[in-house]
Amino acid sequence: GQQLNQSPQSMFIQEGEDVSMNCTSSSIFNTWLWYKQDPGEGPVLLIALYKAGELTSNGRLTAQFGITRKDSFLNISASIPSDVGIYFCAGQRAGGGADGLTFGKGTHLIIQP
Amino acid sequence: EAQVTQNPRYLITVTGKKLTVTCSQNMNHEYMSWYRQDPGLGLRQIYYSMNVEVTDKGDVPEGYKVSRKEKRNFPLILESPSPNQTSLYFCASSFGGPGDTQYFGPGTRLTVL
Repeated sequence: GQQLNQSPQSMFIQEGEDVSMNCTSSSIFNTWLWYKQDPGEGPVLLIALYKAGELTSNGRLTAQFGITRKDSFLNISASIPSDVGIYFCAGQRAGGGADGLTFGKGTHLIIQP
Repeated sequence: EAQVTQNPRYLITVTGKKLTVTCSQNMNHEYMSWYRQDPGLGLRQIYYSMNVEVTDKGDVPEGYKVSRKEKRNFPLILESPSPNQTSLYFCASSFGGPGDTQYFGPGTRLTVL
């Protein structure tokens, strides 16, 4: 199946630092989504992007839909302990119809106080 | 309360013994989907459904069946489970499609011996 390359795989940072992660694909996507998963829970949507070049913020989170439609990034500013978790990018493939959703492998964010 | 429920939450079974994991949503969502989550592989889509009696394969459908006889329910069926289907399974639903906000269930941890 289609693969999304998400990096980095894990991040160990200090509280207060900014975080940046990204996803790339060899295929074009219509939609890019960023989810966060806490331990023992299902993923929760953070930001949805629907247009190439779109830049969207949700509090301290900012995500962008790449111009080529093959990549997206997520930034977290001034990280806090509750930001710990696994962050997933997900994309809906171009091509019309009811295409499914492909997820990246996740970025584990660990914050040291 | 708007939610997606899955049952059972935990299941240990043996190879070849048919099982069904139920999924139900109370939000009148049209789109429902099943994912499996494995370490190092992230979330992979098994099957999805755009509406009643409309189902499509995701990235890893082999060994699984689904049905969508009612809008609210989307059971996942393993006719003859094998150890490689040991995984954490999530059901999700959204109003309009995979690009809309998907609400995930709490997960079902399945072990096949």
